[in-house]
Amino acid sequence: DTEVTQTPKHLVMGMTNKKSLKCEQHMGHRAMYWYKQKAKKPPELMFVYSYEKLSINESVPSRFSPECPNSSLLNLHLHALQPEDSALYLCASSPLSSQMNYNEQFFGPGTRLTVL
Amino acid sequence: TQLLEQSPQFLSIQEGENLTVYCNSSSVFSSLQWYRQEPGEGPVLLVTVVTGGEVKKLKRLTFQFGDARKDSSLHITAAQPGDTGLYLCAGGIRTSYDKVIFGPGTSLSVIP
Repeated sequence: DTEVTQTPKHLVMGMTNKKSLKCEQHMGHRAMYWYKQKAKKPPELMFVYSYEKLSINESVPSRFSPECPNSSLLNLHLHALQPEDSALYLCASSPLSSQMNYNEQFFGPGTRLTVL
Repeated sequence: TQLLEQSPQFLSIQEGENLTVYCNSSSVFSSLQWYRQEPGEGPVLLVTVVTGGEVKKLKRLTFQFGDARKDSSLHITAAQPGDTGLYLCAGGIRTSYDKVIFGPGTSLSVIP
């Protein structure tokens, strides 16, 4: 299985709602990532989990809360978002193999989030 | 701060034409990836190059890593409408995780 899956595909939420994005991989990868992407722009890194521990938080507002329940799952909890948070949210995973320096990340299909 | 530049930013060509996209930096990278992304979808990894001067071919796509590992090019021969998308280069940096720096992307449109 060489796939990263994300649910839901689309999400519309109000500014007072609480929702969660989910990501799953079964490639045995030990690092997982959340990115935010605006149209025609490159992905922007939000969070990195290495060996199920949060290792990087790119100064993301606290209304975004990541969670890594186990090595295959990654969640992003959303609360009190703003309309400018509307974007494509991408999950990725990578092997973290010390024997290879390929830095390859494998992306899921993304969740299109619209905040009203 | 490592930065990647891509050129051109936008490209619109007719089916059957050839094209080259460039990815440049003043920094050395341990590896370089090329991704293609279609609207509303996640980036799909096309290739990884790791050795200076390395050339890889994937059907009609040819990828080259510069000798100094600071730049790369993607050449597409006889472009097809299915090649349409956002092409992203990403430079790998050795750190505690598989860190990559993305270029700004090249938006390619192939007109039938």
